[in-house]
Amino acid sequence: DAGVTQSPTHLIKTRGQQVTLRCSPKSGHDTVSWYQQALGQGPQFIFQYYEEEERQRGNFPDRFSGHQFPNYSSELNVNALLLGDSALYLCASSSPKRGSYEQYFGPGTRLTVT
Amino acid sequence: RKEVEQDPGPFNVPEGATVAFNCTYSNSASQSFFWYRQDCRKEPKLLMSVYSSGNEDGRFTAQLNRASQYISLLIRDSKLSDSATYLCVVSNSGYSTLTFGKGTMLLVSP
Repeated sequence: DAGVTQSPTHLIKTRGQQVTLRCSPKSGHDTVSWYQQALGQGPQFIFQYYEEEERQRGNFPDRFSGHQFPNYSSELNVNALLLGDSALYLCASSSPKRGSYEQYFGPGTRLTVT
Repeated sequence: RKEVEQDPGPFNVPEGATVAFNCTYSNSASQSFFWYRQDCRKEPKLLMSVYSSGNEDGRFTAQLNRASQYISLLIRDSKLSDSATYLCVVSNSGYSTLTFGKGTMLLVSP
């Protein structure tokens, strides 16, 4: 049973550039959530996708956007990168419709903005 | 006040010790509660869900007190492999979005 996968594992970008991160959920899961984890902090919720729509959003600017595809995989896009966007970006999948509220995380993408 | 607050840590304990982590949450409407474990530079992994009746999984016991908005995790007979950061997590909606505490680091020494 494949777990949550993310790509790439590491990424280095320059301030002002744009980045796209990818996530494939655990088999049988239909809901994907994205989190940002800065060094020494707990993960912070960015947004959640279900049925190809953004269902909930955390306190992040519009520079952060996403997409979910029919196969439930998801992308996170960040425009106009700032130095403060450097963090570990985590994708988590779940299946609340099946009564499973537990979220399972992928290995993350470590983004460094220089 | 932060939504989820944990002991700042780090906790340094010898092998075999019992250690307890405490956590408080501010939203009385919180519905689900979890403890996650995170190893250095790795993703968080679900350790256990926390139920009002309390639950135990081997050496780990979790307790929830809704009236006090307090969650705890007890680890008995600590192992070197228990060294990690423990994250207290609450879910405030039926959509299962998670709010994390900052985490408490545990270091178990020989």
